Amino acid sequence: KAGVTQTPRYLIKTRGQQVTLSCSPISGHRSVSWYQQTPGQGLQFLFEYFSETQRNKGNFPGRFSGRQFSNSRSEMNVSTLELGDSALYLCASSSLERDTQYFGPGTRLTVL
Amino acid sequence: KNEVEQSPQNLTAQEGEFITINCSYSVGISALHWLQQHPGGGIVSLFMLSSGKKKHGRLIATINIQEKHSSLHITASHPRDSAVYICAVRDNTDKLIFGTGTRLQVFP
Repeated sequence: KAGVTQTPRYLIKTRGQQVTLSCSPISGHRSVSWYQQTPGQGLQFLFEYFSETQRNKGNFPGRFSGRQFSNSRSEMNVSTLELGDSALYLCASSSLERDTQYFGPGTRLTVL
Repeated sequence: KNEVEQSPQNLTAQEGEFITINCSYSVGISALHWLQQHPGGGIVSLFMLSSGKKKHGRLIATINIQEKHSSLHITASHPRDSAVYICAVRDNTDKLIFGTGTRLQVFP
């Protein structure tokens, strides 16, 4: 089975722009979670989707949003980018909610 | 104070040594995860525990729910074990909360 894929792998944006990141889970997995990793804050939970429904959301501002499609692929969007949004964004999929997660390689976002 | 604390933050070992990484948490949990992150960012899930002990190859993970503590042990360490090891707990609202990680370097 192919692993979790994330596109793009690297992205450079400027402050004020918006960005959309994509995640394709392992075939058959219905749960997708998103995480932000920065040197200062470490790994932080963004949101979790299961069968197109947002099940859980972390403590991030409303500029961070996401969605999941019927084929379980997920996107996250960050609007009005700030310098502090520079991070590695990771998505992970699992076959069931609260099950072992399989992580993608991440998208490294740099905001200038 | 962080809800998930790991110790030590950094660990250096010689090949063949027995290694222990500790994780303490202060919240109610439904499960605890141990993750491995190699340089470049890729994360691999090593264990998911809700009680007792699990073993996979040279890796052993234990959890004591009453003491809110878990340990990850690596027997016969090898340079390829060099990575950051991250403890994460799933709290009672189903969110994953991560520790800050333990950076392990194993020298030949």
